[in-house]
Amino acid sequence: EPEVTQTPSHQVTQMGQEVILRCVPISNHLYFYWYRQILGQKVEFLVSFYNNEISEKSEIFDDQFSVERPDGSNFTLKIRSTKLEDSAMYFCASRTGTANIGYTFGSGTRLTVV
Amino acid sequence: AQRVTQPEKLLSVFKGAPVELKCNYSYSGSPELFWYVQYSRQRLQLLLRHISRESIKGFTADLNKGETSFHLKKPFAQEEDSAMYYCALRSGGGGNKLTFGTGTQLKVEL
Repeated sequence: EPEVTQTPSHQVTQMGQEVILRCVPISNHLYFYWYRQILGQKVEFLVSFYNNEISEKSEIFDDQFSVERPDGSNFTLKIRSTKLEDSAMYFCASRTGTANIGYTFGSGTRLTVV
Repeated sequence: AQRVTQPEKLLSVFKGAPVELKCNYSYSGSPELFWYVQYSRQRLQLLLRHISRESIKGFTADLNKGETSFHLKKPFAQEEDSAMYYCALRSGGGGNKLTFGTGTQLKVEL
């Protein structure tokens, strides 16, 4: 069964540093998402991406965040200047264009900001 | 704005007992609801979607629009069912994001 792949599985970074989280969605999927889950809290939507542009973003997704699909296969989330409160599990997800099909999630990247 | 409520943080049942994980939603449009399961810090896996009315691993869920609920049920719990369960609602427009509930940790005891 096809999978969404995320790298790295765990990243530790110093406050103020830039991080890039990488995702390889399923190849025939058209919609891409980033979610985050702070430890002990619920999964929160960050951003959705379709046709090479952001289609929706949450309040969390401020100017410190950006997404990119640089080469048609990778889908990246960049945090420009990390803060302690950015520590969380970040999940990438993708889906086909068929509306009622479920979303496939990656295994996540645990980001720890120290 | 859409909202998903899962009132129980933890549900503990004995093996063989029936399970019901509650989910209520608030959404002005026509809802599309999903259940996701997360085993021991692994990835979120799709368990059920209401539109397909399927049964996966013995779990079923029926959308009740009158009560705005989408409770997850299983008649006989198994040890391997122990996991975190998230109810999610898909909104229309924009990127069709999923809005998740806070999750219910199901613990099946022997």
